[in-house]
Parts: sequence; structure tokens; C-alpha cells
Amino acid sequence: AQSVSQHNHHVILSEAASLELGCNYSYGGTVNLFWYVQYPGQHLQLLLKYFSGDPLVKGIKGFEAEFIKSKFSFNLRKPSVQWSDTAEYFCAVNFGNEKLTFGTGTRLTIIP
Amino acid sequence: EAQVTQNPRYLITVTGKKLTVTCSQNMNHEYMSWYRQDPGLGLRQIYYSMNVEVTDKGDVPEGYKVSRKEKRNFPLILESPSPNQTSLYFCASSQYRDWRDEQFFGPGTRLTVL
Repeated sequence: AQSVSQHNHHVILSEAASLELGCNYSYGGTVNLFWYVQYPGQHLQLLLKYFSGDPLVKGIKGFEAEFIKSKFSFNLRKPSVQWSDTAEYFCAVNFGNEKLTFGTGTRLTIIP
Repeated sequence: EAQVTQNPRYLITVTGKKLTVTCSQNMNHEYMSWYRQDPGLGLRQIYYSMNVEVTDKGDVPEGYKVSRKEKRNFPLILESPSPNQTSLYFCASSQYRDWRDEQFFGPGTRLTVL
């Protein structure tokens, strides 16, 4: 079955640390990939997306993600996090149909 | 301001009492969708609509109904709510007739069914 996995449920980092959040999916066909962020008390908003082309995509607020097809992964990275990055992060995948499947989310806490 | 609105934002109800959560977007978007968010399960799609009068089931449609009579509105109906439908609900819309564009999310509706 097509699924999306985010193995890091809760990540705690200090400010200025580097961040990498994992996202893996199970499907051998063409996929389209997204990262959404949900700040405390707010609704989800798009961080970045990948459809095709350069597998390294840059999004808002200094985030980037790399699509590695051989590893079925789309990990989110940021070189230096800030307290304001405290939020829940969702990876989402389209498996070539009309739907978007979300991962279970990773809660990120940044300690000042 | 371009936005997706949901009402009510908070609702406490009792088992079996029919309710409707409204969703409206002012961006002339074709695609609209409902999700529920539960701890440890992330967001799961309930229903989606690719255009007026076109709706389809998502991953967890049981116990829910939707309608799309107008482009801007996509209400979620719970005919007989049960406690396992206690959740945080999000409506979303996007420009194209499917998922491919960024989805804009509403602020969420926190539903408690006693």
C-alpha cells in the first residue's frame, strides 16, 4: 500500500543547530512531494514542493529538501534553526492520483 | 484577502446530533478537500471535490457527507456524530482541478463529540 512515513515524532534542538527531518514513502512510481508546516495555533502552510527537475528544492524561511529517488526519501533540512521554527512539520506525497497523503508529522521544538 | 474560512471554530456536541461544518474559499479554486487531524495519525483526507457537483471519497469517509453545490462552498456534514469523530478538522482548497497546486488550509474546527 502507498504510505508516507515520518519516523521522527518529536525533535528537540537548540537554536543554531542544523535540522534534518526524515520523510520516506512506499511506491515505485512517479510521485510528487510536499512539506507543510503548522505553527502553534495556526493552519498548515506550504514550505516547499517537488514535481520534477533539480532534486534539491528550496522553500521559504531557509528550508530545503532533497528528493532521493533510490531511497524513496524527501528529507527536509535547514542549516541553522531559530526559535520561531518551533512547529509541526508534515511531509505529503501524491502518488499519481487525485489525493494527497500526509505523514504523521514531526513536532519540532527549538530551545532558545 | 485570499482565504479559506471555516465555521464554527470550536464545537462540542452530543452523540447522534446532526451537525454541519461550513467551509468557504474566495479564491475561485476548483479543488477542495476535508481532512481530519488526530495525534499520532497526522492528516487524513475525508472527502475531496474537483469541481461543482463532483465529490469523491478520501481515505476515511465513513460517517461523513459532503456537497459541492457552489464553487466556493464545501460543507462537511456529520449525520450522526460519534465520539470517534472527535478531532481537528481542516478544509483546504487549491487552484487546479486536482492536488497539484499548493493547498490553502482553513484555520481548523475542533470538534468534540460527547
